[in-house]
Amino acid sequence: DAKTTQPNSMESNEEEPVHLPCNHSTISGTDYIHWYRQLPSQGPEYVIHGLTSNVNNRMASLAIAEDRKSSTLILHRATLRDAAVYYCILGKNSGGSNYKLTFGKGTLLTVNP
Amino acid sequence: IAGITQAPTSQILAAGRRMTLRCTQDMRHNAMYWYRQDLGLGLRLIHYSNTAGTTGKGEVPDGYSVSRANTDDFPLTLASAVPSQTSVYFCASSATRNTEAFFGQGTRLTVV
Repeated sequence: DAKTTQPNSMESNEEEPVHLPCNHSTISGTDYIHWYRQLPSQGPEYVIHGLTSNVNNRMASLAIAEDRKSSTLILHRATLRDAAVYYCILGKNSGGSNYKLTFGKGTLLTVNP
Repeated sequence: IAGITQAPTSQILAAGRRMTLRCTQDMRHNAMYWYRQDLGLGLRLIHYSNTAGTTGKGEVPDGYSVSRANTDDFPLTLASAVPSQTSVYFCASSATRNTEAFFGQGTRLTVV
């Protein structure tokens, strides 16, 4: 299965932009790139996903490299509530109609006031 | 309120006992997933189902079974619990492949 590599932790200051990197060098042509985050004592929460083009929504932006081997989640202005573990995962087609989301260990984002 | 519900919220279980974790969604999503989360290991996929009547194995399926008799329910069964199955279990669902997945609040299971 295609895997993703993320830094174990990152730190940011409140009100500043945050760029969370993810490498997925073995991505397949039909794999989507998903980002989720998990706040303490909660289930994961969807952030954003994309295939080839950059994507924007109310929570974040997703920048996908042209070769699709890496991507970056951008939080435009970090707040204390953005402190969480961020997961970059590949939505992988695994034969026929099978499709599954496989998480890695994620990046722990700390936001300083 | 539409969403995904897990039960129980927490459970202490004696080793060797059988246990079923329940997961129900009312969003008519096709795909459902079960994950376990352990400190330092992140979320690991146990089993998944892309449509009612079909299931597939994830990364750590041993010791667990699932069924998908209908669209809404996706129970996870531990036939004979062992202490290594102590974990927080999350159920999730998504409408189709490549769409947003919604997660339940988790079930904290302790096997003693």
